[in-house]
Amino acid sequence: NAGVTQTPKFRVLKTGQSMTLLCAQDMNHEYMYWYRQDPGMGLRLIHYSVGEGTTAKGEVPDGYNVSRLKKQNFLLGLESAAPSQTSVYFCATREAGADTQYFGPGTRLTVL
Amino acid sequence: EDQVTQSPEALRLQEGESSSLNCSYTVSGLRGLFWYRQDPGKGPEFLFTLYSAGEEKEKERLKATLTKKESFLHITAPKPEDSATYLCAVCRGSGTYKYIFGTGTRLKVLA
Repeated sequence: NAGVTQTPKFRVLKTGQSMTLLCAQDMNHEYMYWYRQDPGMGLRLIHYSVGEGTTAKGEVPDGYNVSRLKKQNFLLGLESAAPSQTSVYFCATREAGADTQYFGPGTRLTVL
Repeated sequence: EDQVTQSPEALRLQEGESSSLNCSYTVSGLRGLFWYRQDPGKGPEFLFTLYSAGEEKEKERLKATLTKKESFLHITAPKPEDSATYLCAVCRGSGTYKYIFGTGTRLKVLA
């Protein structure tokens, strides 16, 4: 039972490159979230999903896209990376009807 | 505007020196308040959920309490392994909840 996993753990991109971050969960949770964590700021919501095939924008969605084709996976894409997207990205999941979010280990992304 | 403020930003304690971390919040329709522990290079690890004023939760050396405006995380006789950043978050709404996170308190416990 791995809980929430994220791939990759680290990545360095050049400005303009694209990449996809993968979040996978084995807890059968309906809700999945993508956050970014920057120094001196609280976790900020990028996009979220309330179930397979659904996605919605969070607080800071610009420059990111997401997809949830399978219930257990939530993908975060950067089509043209910018230095402002240098951050640590966390995925979280939540069971329907419950309040607590459970977080993955994070992906540290640097955009040069 | 929904807001979560944690204080202090950083705290250094000697082993065995008890203290408290504060999380003050302004949110309409509070559904729950959460405490997480985050170690360097790791994701937030869930500690407690509190739902109503007066509620208390305990786990080992940690005790979380909640009032209508703030929450405290009391650390009794801390050990070096309690060193971490402690995050507070609140949840409001129904169905698709909104979560607002504080910036955390960095705790260092010296042996």
